[in-house]
Amino acid sequence: AQSVTQLGSHVSVSEGALVLLRCNYSSSVPPYLFWYVQYPNQGLQLLLKYTSAATLVKGINGFEAEFKKSETSFHLTKPSAHMSDAAEYFCAVQRGNAGNMLTFGGGTRLMVKP
Amino acid sequence: DTEVTQTPKHLVMGMTNKKSLKCEQHMGHRAMYWYKQKAKKPPELMFVYSYEKLSINESVPSRFSPECPNSSLLNLHLHALQPEDSALYLCASSQAIRSGNTIYFGEGSWLTVV
Repeated sequence: AQSVTQLGSHVSVSEGALVLLRCNYSSSVPPYLFWYVQYPNQGLQLLLKYTSAATLVKGINGFEAEFKKSETSFHLTKPSAHMSDAAEYFCAVQRGNAGNMLTFGGGTRLMVKP
Repeated sequence: DTEVTQTPKHLVMGMTNKKSLKCEQHMGHRAMYWYKQKAKKPPELMFVYSYEKLSINESVPSRFSPECPNSSLLNLHLHALQPEDSALYLCASSQAIRSGNTIYFGEGSWLTVV
């Protein structure tokens, strides 16, 4: 069964610093992987999606993620953090044998210091 | 802006009340979902409709009753809820439930049971 683990429930960076949010997956088949962002008091917004077309995936708001099969990772990065990036970030994998149902990681709260 | 619209945004109800949450999408999607999200947790799948038929029920208590009147609308009828049912309820949709299809979320309905 597919699963994802997000390392670090809280990450704090300074404005302008690199953002790195970690996600490792477990999958017996090539996975579909997603990053969603949830701003305070809002729903989930899709940041980006890995579909095996390219290992480096560019998303919205300057975020990107690199799929590394050898490390079973799909870490999310952004070169320069902005105050507006403060939010909860969820990594998710589709369950494979259950269509497109998502299995979420526990989430990482990103805090950006001025 | 999300193309999945949920109403109401906030709902307070007593344990003996009957209320409904509503969701609408105009993306032509044929799969719709209800998720429940407690504070500081990832969303949990409740129900999935595919082509207006209930496809998945994740062992949700019968006090939650979903309804899909047509391919654009999804309701969640609430009756005799408990305070622990207070949560953010997220509606979502996708083109289909096939692997690889992206799930798009609404802004959510905040439910408080008193």
